[in-house]
Amino acid sequence: QKEVEQNSGPLSVPEGAIASLNCTYSDRGSQSFFWYRQYSGKSPELIMFIYSNGDKEDGRFTAQLNKASQYVSLLIRDSQPSDSATYLCAVNSYMRFGAGTRLTVKP
Amino acid sequence: GAGVSQTPSNKVTEKGKYVELRCDPISGHTALYWYRQSLGQGPEFLIYFQGTGAADDSGLPNDRFFAVRPEGSVSTLKIQRTERGDSAVYLCASSPTGGDSGELFFGEGSRLTVL
Repeated sequence: QKEVEQNSGPLSVPEGAIASLNCTYSDRGSQSFFWYRQYSGKSPELIMFIYSNGDKEDGRFTAQLNKASQYVSLLIRDSQPSDSATYLCAVNSYMRFGAGTRLTVKP
Repeated sequence: GAGVSQTPSNKVTEKGKYVELRCDPISGHTALYWYRQSLGQGPEFLIYFQGTGAADDSGLPNDRFFAVRPEGSVSTLKIQRTERGDSAVYLCASSPTGGDSGELFFGEGSRLTVL
């Protein structure tokens, strides 16, 4: 069983729409969760992290965590073409990553 | 430098050769991670250092892969008897503290091609 699972996509949304990215994890003891964005040919960069159940908002981005369901998501509101990238979910315990979801925002 | 530095940026080698990839983390970062990323895949964890010691090397695929961090700063990933399947981008990341609390800062990666 993979430690971190994501829908590989690709996910395509029109400009201005909400993009929803999902991630599940297997280690019930995990405490911290991270979303990274990776543009093609570039290295990952941190967008958000979340430690507590519930929602955490930062600008157009909202991370949602449900530890009981072992589920974490990232919502991107008012999606822009510049948001087109691969989004990687990472879980603590030495930072295992999911396979990533490729998002395309169409103008 | 201000960021994580990886050298070489590109390495082409022949099957069976030995390769070393170097990572110079952000100054003061105690945690250092190596990942391998193939096209269309997420970063695959290889090894995590806390200071000079390997806190978790469970991701190293086999005994051809070895990594060191002798002084708790620069790290070298060593691959013996390279195989074509080793071709990938090798990413290094550092973190101020590591474990549950740390944002990872990535280098630009070393692209390894084994012919």
